[in-house]
Amino acid sequence: NAGVTQTPKFRILKIGQSMTLQCTQDMNHNYMYWYRQDPGMGLKLIYYSVGAGITDKGEVPNGYNVSRSTTEDFPLRLELAAPSQTSVYFCASSTTAGTEAYYGYTFGSGTRLTVV
Amino acid sequence: KQEVTQIPAALSVPEGENLVLNCSFTDSAIYNLQWFRQDPGKGLTSLLLIQSSQREQTSGRLNASLDKSSGRSTLYIAASQPGDSATYLCAAYNYGQNFVFGPGTRLSVLP
Repeated sequence: NAGVTQTPKFRILKIGQSMTLQCTQDMNHNYMYWYRQDPGMGLKLIYYSVGAGITDKGEVPNGYNVSRSTTEDFPLRLELAAPSQTSVYFCASSTTAGTEAYYGYTFGSGTRLTVV
Repeated sequence: KQEVTQIPAALSVPEGENLVLNCSFTDSAIYNLQWFRQDPGKGLTSLLLIQSSQREQTSGRLNASLDKSSGRSTLYIAASQPGDSATYLCAAYNYGQNFVFGPGTRLSVLP
């Protein structure tokens, strides 16, 4: 099925470890986003990308890095994991607002990360 | 800076009731507004997208309205069912920026 695919679904990290959260979309969307969701806090934007080779910081980028080498893939890298990064991470994609094919955001199913 | 709030934070209703969920935003120059549903431990599923030029959108038992001048959107759910139990989030989009999400309303529909 077409959509946004995230892996892994669950992960436990020790403090100081690193990992990459994978995100792939097959809808040829130019925009991609990473959010984190903490209980009762809503979704906060970490990083976003408007196309291959272009990335920009969102509201809470510290402790994370991203790259966008292809239209399809937008991995999120956590360096030196900290307990404050315990959260649920969502990847999303969209086309350009205002175009005929714009339907808002499409979300992946999320990655639940625990840092201990 | 756009800010989005949702009231109430939680709502519990008996099956069959019609209900309204509220979403407020501070910057009325929005380009569109999107409503999502999130089931426990799951991702977000898009329900309705309302463009700034529209007053409302309908999908089945769901109807979303948009009043830019008052900074409000409402999601109306008709004849609620236990399967409607979930968290409902709204997100406001200002052109050239990114969606700003509300904290959500957690809905429980009791059999």
